[in-house]
Amino acid sequence: NAGVTQTPKFQVLKTGQSMTLQCAQDMNHNSMYWYRQDPGMGLRLIYYSASEGTTDKGEVPNGYNVSRLNKREFSLRLESAAPSQTSVYFCASRERGGLEEQFFGPGTRLTVL
Amino acid sequence: RKEVEQDPGPFNVPEGATVAFNCTYSNSASQSFFWYRQDCRKEPKLLMSVYSSGNEDGRFTAQLNRASQYISLLIRDSKLSDSATYLCVVIPVRGSGAGSYQLTFGKGTKLSVIP
Repeated sequence: NAGVTQTPKFQVLKTGQSMTLQCAQDMNHNSMYWYRQDPGMGLRLIYYSASEGTTDKGEVPNGYNVSRLNKREFSLRLESAAPSQTSVYFCASRERGGLEEQFFGPGTRLTVL
Repeated sequence: RKEVEQDPGPFNVPEGATVAFNCTYSNSASQSFFWYRQDCRKEPKLLMSVYSSGNEDGRFTAQLNRASQYISLLIRDSKLSDSATYLCVVIPVRGSGAGSYQLTFGKGTKLSVIP
């Protein structure tokens, strides 16, 4: 039972390049999330998917797109990377809303030069 | 006022000390509250949920004060292994609607327990 997995763990991009961050969970959770964490800013929600087939914007969606490929997988795409997107990205999942615990992946450290 | 505010610290305490963190939230309709722990360069993990009547888990006690809109975390008999950043988390709406899927995180309070 791997929980939430993310690939890659580290990535360096040049400005304007594109990439997709992959996330998968094996806990049969309905909800999945993408966050970014920057020093002094805390965790900020980029996009979330409350259930398979739905996605919604979070606090900082600009510059990102997401795809809920199936119940297990939720990917985050940067179409044209910018230095401001240098951050640590965490994927998370939760059974549903309310009091359910949220489980996080190990994170992807992205640097955009 | 930010939705969830925490004292960033750092709190530097000796082993065995008792330390308390507070967290204030702005939305009086908030219904669910949690404390997460994040070790350096690791992902956040749930430490404990916070219930209306307060709850305890070993050396950790969480309390909720709805009137003043804050939650607290008390750590007794601090261990070196308690060194981490503690994140206050609030779900800012009631019920099980779409808004209950969004967790709002505080920026965290850093704790260093010193030998």
